[in-house]
This record gives sequence, C-alpha cells and structure tokens, in this order.
Amino acid sequence: GAVVSQHPSRVICKSGTSVKIECRSLDFQATTMFWYRQFPKKSLMLMATSNEGSKATYEQGVEKDKFLINHASLTLSTLTVTSAHPEDSSFYICSASQSLETQYFGPGTRLLVL
Amino acid sequence: GENVEQHPSTLSVQEGDSAVIKCTYSDSASNYFPWYKQELGKRPQLIIDIRSNVGEKKDQRIAVTLNKTAKHFSLHITETQPEDSAVYFCAASGFSGGYQKVTFGIGTKLQVIP
Repeated sequence: GAVVSQHPSRVICKSGTSVKIECRSLDFQATTMFWYRQFPKKSLMLMATSNEGSKATYEQGVEKDKFLINHASLTLSTLTVTSAHPEDSSFYICSASQSLETQYFGPGTRLLVL
Repeated sequence: GENVEQHPSTLSVQEGDSAVIKCTYSDSASNYFPWYKQELGKRPQLIIDIRSNVGEKKDQRIAVTLNKTAKHFSLHITETQPEDSAVYFCAASGFSGGYQKVTFGIGTKLQVIP
C-alpha cells in the first residue's frame, strides 16, 4: 500500500515553456501533498505544501507564480513550472501524506530546460 | 524556522560493523522524526520513525533514539550489509503556522564495504 506515482519521469523542454508534473496517490487519499526539489548529491528542499481544496503554502524563497501548485483532489496534485529557465533544471519529487506525519514519496521527475 | 543538522555527510563501514548517523534540530515544536533511505536514482523510502513521546524505537537491525531535551536523534544500523549502502536523510516535522512543516537534514552517504 501507500503508492505514489509521478508523471512524467523525465522531461526536456525549451526555455520559456511551461511544464506540468502530476503526483498521484494510488491507493490512499492524501490530505496533504508536498513538493520537493533535489539538486545532485543534495538534500530534499521543501518547496511547498498543498492541502486538498486550498491554496498551497510556499516556503520562503519559492516563487508561487513560477511554481503553480494545484491540489484538485485527494489523490492528485500538480506542479507547473511556468516560463521554465535552465536554472529550473532539477529533480522534483512529490510526497503524499494521509496521517499528517508519514510521507510517501513519488519516484521523481527529472526536468531539463534547454 | 526549523534547522536540522545531520552528520557525518559520508560514512564508510566494513560489512558487519555498525553505522550511526546523528541529527540535531532547533524547533522544540517538532514532534515527529522520520528517517529515509534513498538509493541512487530512486525515491526516498521511510525506514523508521519516532515520535516525541518515545525515546527509542527498534526495527530489526535499525534503531532510532531521540533526546528531546538535547534536541537530537540518531539512527543506528547494526550488522551492516552492502545493500544498506545509500543516502540516509533525517527529518524533523511538526505543526507551524497552522500547517505541517518538515525539514530534512543534508543526508549521509553510507557505504558498506564488503
């Protein structure tokens, strides 16, 4: 149980375009979903926390207009990187939580912006 | 906000020896402390967690201890095996400003030498 999927697994896009990443909890209802960014050989950096049906809470330094998060249902959250630039290239990982404590991570999305 | 420090950043042990990873946190409101294992190219997986009302928890070869007064917690792996080689992240979690907040340590790359 507690499976989280993420799509796409990797994406290459041109600078200036937008990219949407989906995070789904497959066998449980996630009241909270988290979005992380991970640089090579670095820790997970929390970008934002989203609760179903409400606005996401962004961490300091994360531009909410650039990283749009939508938590439309208890099983789906999306992260849209708008007007992507090469510096946005990174590994993005979502996690889903049912108990407000234990998080289950998706497999991640590797984004490369050319 | 919360600040989690983790050390060492790298750790090499001989197969069969024990490995200890230590973390400290700053926010006394944190009350949940999970540990994640991330193998190369894969998602972080929860391996053990501890809540603030418990001082120690053990699951087979893995144990975690928590000292609330000193604000530090540790991961202990006994009888290490090559498959234990991975990056381990500690995290501190609690409610802040009305929503769940989680902060990760920088990670420890554990190498178990056969």
